[in-house]
Amino acid sequence: NAGVTQTPKFQVLKTGQSMTLQCAQDMNHNSMYWYRQDPGMGLRLIYYSASEGTTDKGEVPNGYNVSRLNKREFSLRLESAAPSQTSVYFCASSEGGLAGGELFFGEGSRLTVL
Amino acid sequence: QKEVEQDPGPLSVPEGAIVSLNCTYSNSAFQYFMWYRQYSRKGPELLMYTYSSGNKEDGRFTAQVDKSSKYISLFIRDSQPSDSATYLCAMRRNSNYQLIWGAGTKLIIKP
Repeated sequence: NAGVTQTPKFQVLKTGQSMTLQCAQDMNHNSMYWYRQDPGMGLRLIYYSASEGTTDKGEVPNGYNVSRLNKREFSLRLESAAPSQTSVYFCASSEGGLAGGELFFGEGSRLTVL
Repeated sequence: QKEVEQDPGPLSVPEGAIVSLNCTYSNSAFQYFMWYRQYSRKGPELLMYTYSSGNKEDGRFTAQVDKSSKYISLFIRDSQPSDSATYLCAMRRNSNYQLIWGAGTKLIIKP
């Protein structure tokens, strides 16, 4: 089982460049999430999509945009990357939304902004 | 002050020891408590899920919630080298579905 697949796994950007992180899940889950993980900070929610066609801001949405392309795919875009966006990004999915159910995570995308 | 505090460690113990991992929190409205395990360069995976107060046991793992002290614990019995990982606590309120995460404790089990 593939579960949650993220691409790319590693990326180095220069300040001001743009990029899109891709995420796909094959568990037929309704809800998908993007988190960032920084040392000493825990996981912080960037955006989430409770169901296909909806997206909502999380705790730290500034500098990011998302697209729920279909039920399987949820992408995260950095329009103009900044060094503060250097982080490990995790995509996750769940069956029942934030209110319930286990979160299933991808393996992460490690982004460095120079 | 963070809503959820967790000692980052590392916590190093010999194989076979009982491990105690803890989180404290400030918001008395938290009702759902979770422990996730994260191996190096992998995503977190759910280990234990508890609602409100009390204990929950699953094999070698026991999750404990003390709402009066705003304190949750994860106990690992007969620890194994394969338990070496970072353990993240997470919690949320009934009315707000956003999970609040601890920073994680790195655990090392020495053979």
